[in-house]
Amino acid sequence: DIQMTQSPSSVSASVGDRVTITCRASQGISSWLAWYQQKPGKAPKLLIYAASSLQSGVPSRFSGSGSGTDFTLTISSLQPEDFATYYCQQANSFPPTFGQGTKLEIK
Amino acid sequence: QITLKESGPTLVKPTQTLTLTCTFSGFSLSTSGVGVGWIRQPPGKALEWLALIYWDDDKRYSPSLKSRLTITKDTSKNQVVLTMTNMDPVDTATYYCAHSRIVGFDYWGQGTLVTVSS
Repeated sequence: DIQMTQSPSSVSASVGDRVTITCRASQGISSWLAWYQQKPGKAPKLLIYAASSLQSGVPSRFSGSGSGTDFTLTISSLQPEDFATYYCQQANSFPPTFGQGTKLEIK
Repeated sequence: QITLKESGPTLVKPTQTLTLTCTFSGFSLSTSGVGVGWIRQPPGKALEWLALIYWDDDKRYSPSLKSRLTITKDTSKNQVVLTMTNMDPVDTATYYCAHSRIVGFDYWGQGTLVTVSS
């Protein structure tokens, strides 16, 4: 299985801050990567697919980049509704695997 | 509008078999390229992919759980069913079904919490 490692595991930030979360794959996955946002008690929501494509309806302050083994999710200016847990997921090969999550908390 | 909803027991006993049903609308599982997957999340933990079934009845399973899982579809009813045998307390989790796109799962059900306890 391809292992997905996110960093940091948690981060504290303020409204208006720029935040970057990284995801590293244990082997190359080209651009077969998705990012999700999950709020407590809710299902995950797809934000980014194919490493850098914004899912319909997702605000443009979210962006993704990377290819191969190293990927980033950037939130350009944090809004109150962005405080949540974020997961990456590789879709290069079965089984699809998720990172352990990054919890974004209010400073 | 695509929607999915999971249904099934909220409590199962150890060694029992869990059967979960995903009922969906807004798409057809007979359309080329379409898939429905199951993902679970133990309380406070990360997401774990379990299984996926495609429009052509291709089925994929988590290698670590393959011997315990079966996924089937009923296209006429717009349903996907997941069975998991020999349930254990470590299988306590929220179980989600989701519409699969080429990269990622773009529509998710609300999830159903399944507790395994005697």
